[in-house]
Amino acid sequence: DAKTTQPNSMESNEEEPVHLPCNHSTISGTDYIHWYRQLPSQGPEYVIHGLTSNVNNRMASLAIAEDRKSSTLILHRATLRDAAVYYCILRDSGAGSYQLTFGKGTKLSVIP
Amino acid sequence: GAVVSQHPSWVICKSGTSVKIECRSLDFQATTMFWYRQFPKQSLMLMATSNEGSKATYEQGVEKDKFLINHASLTLSTLTVTSAHPEDSSFYICSARVSGRRTDTQYFGPGTRLTVL
Repeated sequence: DAKTTQPNSMESNEEEPVHLPCNHSTISGTDYIHWYRQLPSQGPEYVIHGLTSNVNNRMASLAIAEDRKSSTLILHRATLRDAAVYYCILRDSGAGSYQLTFGKGTKLSVIP
Repeated sequence: GAVVSQHPSWVICKSGTSVKIECRSLDFQATTMFWYRQFPKQSLMLMATSNEGSKATYEQGVEKDKFLINHASLTLSTLTVTSAHPEDSSFYICSARVSGRRTDTQYFGPGTRLTVL
């Protein structure tokens, strides 16, 4: 799977929007962009995924750059429960392995 | 969303004993499940891919005779840590693949914390 680069940590104030960046300059045409998050002492939780177009769901929005070399996960109003490690992962839909390779992610702290 | 459970949520055992961890997909069938291991302050590391009805595929460096994986049904995969030692103490997490016309992703269990004394 192609590599992604994320900041180690970010802070946000409660009830403000959060933009979590992810760089993936070596992304291939068949790579989907997946975001997961992991709260302390829990398994990862699926957040959102996309290929080319921006995506919205009840948890977050995913903005994908036109050249697909970067993307941004947007939490519209951060709450204390959003404090977690956020992982941006590329999964090759053409590889047939269905594996996810986790990097170090971004640790998001939410300040009350 | 799809729900994956794990049992037990935590276990403490003596060195040399074996421990079985169960991973269940509660409201869907999963032909493919995955097992990960996570040490403190580190990211998840894939251990093996478990396919229903066939042998698991192990990642490089993971001993298949030590970490036995059985995926006997479409809703259950088990990981048995044989002859556990203190260095096997870790957070073990399973996931199940969900695929459809518009999605192909994984849903994760809550994890099992293993402590080997």
